[in-house]
Amino acid sequence: DGGITQSPKYLFRKEGQNVTLSCEQNLNHDAMYWYRQDPGQGLRLIYYSQIVNDFQKGDIAEGYSVSREKKESFPLTVTSAQKNPTAFYLCASRPRTGLNEKLFFGSGTQLSVL
Amino acid sequence: EDQVTQSPEALRLQEGESSSLNCSYTVSGLRGLFWYRQDPGKGPEFLFTLYSAGEEKEKERLKATLTKKESFLHITAPKPEDSATYLCAVIGIQFYFGTGTSLTVIP
Repeated sequence: DGGITQSPKYLFRKEGQNVTLSCEQNLNHDAMYWYRQDPGQGLRLIYYSQIVNDFQKGDIAEGYSVSREKKESFPLTVTSAQKNPTAFYLCASRPRTGLNEKLFFGSGTQLSVL
Repeated sequence: EDQVTQSPEALRLQEGESSSLNCSYTVSGLRGLFWYRQDPGKGPEFLFTLYSAGEEKEKERLKATLTKKESFLHITAPKPEDSATYLCAVIGIQFYFGTGTSLTVIP
């Protein structure tokens, strides 16, 4: 079945450590997104990518980095510069930007600080 | 400022007690409004897309409607398995998400 796979489901970060969240899709979608979800807040956009080897910052990019070396993969690194990383992270995709197409979501990664 | 506001934040219903969830929005150049269902610890699951005022979509016990300023998600005779958080999102220049309505249906 086509879909978006996020791993791991749970991740723990130590002080000063960088951690990487994986996102893989087999939907043949061009556009991929990373959102952060905190209790009581709407989803906030971290980064998005419309095409391989290109990506743009979202509303809360500070302390995060991404890469898009393959169409299927869009990993997110939470760096030590992100001082409040505890949140639920969602990866999403859709065929292309500029269309009225819905977002497809992965199952999420819960990141916590040790 | 583009934004989406959902109400109520939380809703408790008895099984079979119908109600509505509200999503009001202000966005320049609305290109679509989306409803998602999210279970705890999982990603949002798509329910409906609405594109223009007056449009309605139905799926089982759920019916979504759209006006120029808001959308409603009507839940008819809900069951406990309908318990979840319901998210509303609009797309203008980018996607804007509401904070969701947490629905609990009591047997």
